[in-house]
Amino acid sequence: DIQLTQSPSFLSASVGDRVTITCRASQDIYNYLAWYQQKPGKAPKLLIYAAFTLQSGVPSRFSGSASGTEFTLTISSLQPEDFATYYCQQLNSYPFAFGPGTKVDIK
Amino acid sequence: QVQLQESGPGLVKPSGTLSLTCAVSGGSISSSNWWTWVRQAPGKGPEWIGEIYHSGTTNYNPSLKSRVTISIDKSKNQFSLKMSSVIAADTAVYYCARYGSTSAYYGMDVWGQGTTVTVSS
Repeated sequence: DIQLTQSPSFLSASVGDRVTITCRASQDIYNYLAWYQQKPGKAPKLLIYAAFTLQSGVPSRFSGSASGTEFTLTISSLQPEDFATYYCQQLNSYPFAFGPGTKVDIK
Repeated sequence: QVQLQESGPGLVKPSGTLSLTCAVSGGSISSSNWWTWVRQAPGKGPEWIGEIYHSGTTNYNPSLKSRVTISIDKSKNQFSLKMSSVIAADTAVYYCARYGSTSAYYGMDVWGQGTTVTVSS
């Protein structure tokens, strides 16, 4: 099975900050990676798929990048509604595992 | 736009069978999308359970495969999850979801609101 790790597991930031979250896969997943945002009591929301592609309706301050088996989610200017937990998910081979999550909290 | 709604018992006894249904509205379950189940235990990250295509083709998480069956009912525009021999560790919020297009490459773009299932006597 492919394992995903995320760093950091927790980060404290202020409105307007640039935030970067990293997801590392245990083997090549050929950019079959999605990023989700989850708020308490809600279902995850798709932000980015195929490592780079912004889901329709998602603000352009969210972006994704990749280098080998390392993937990055960047929020260019953190907004109040962005405080949430972020998960990556690999969709290259079964089972489609999620990362352990990164909680973004208010500084 | 497509919407998903989970339904089923919120309480299941240990060793019993968990049964959930996901109703699809605003679109056809026979479209070129795969349909999937995901669960999330309290305080944990999501866990992929399995998926089904309208042809009936399924794929399951090997860690759950021996206990899980996902089926589809095209006449009712819904799909279902059955999990047997449940234990307390199966207590979670269960979500149904859809992949964004013809494959998982597009991520899960539509989710149900989730339903909480507690395994307890």
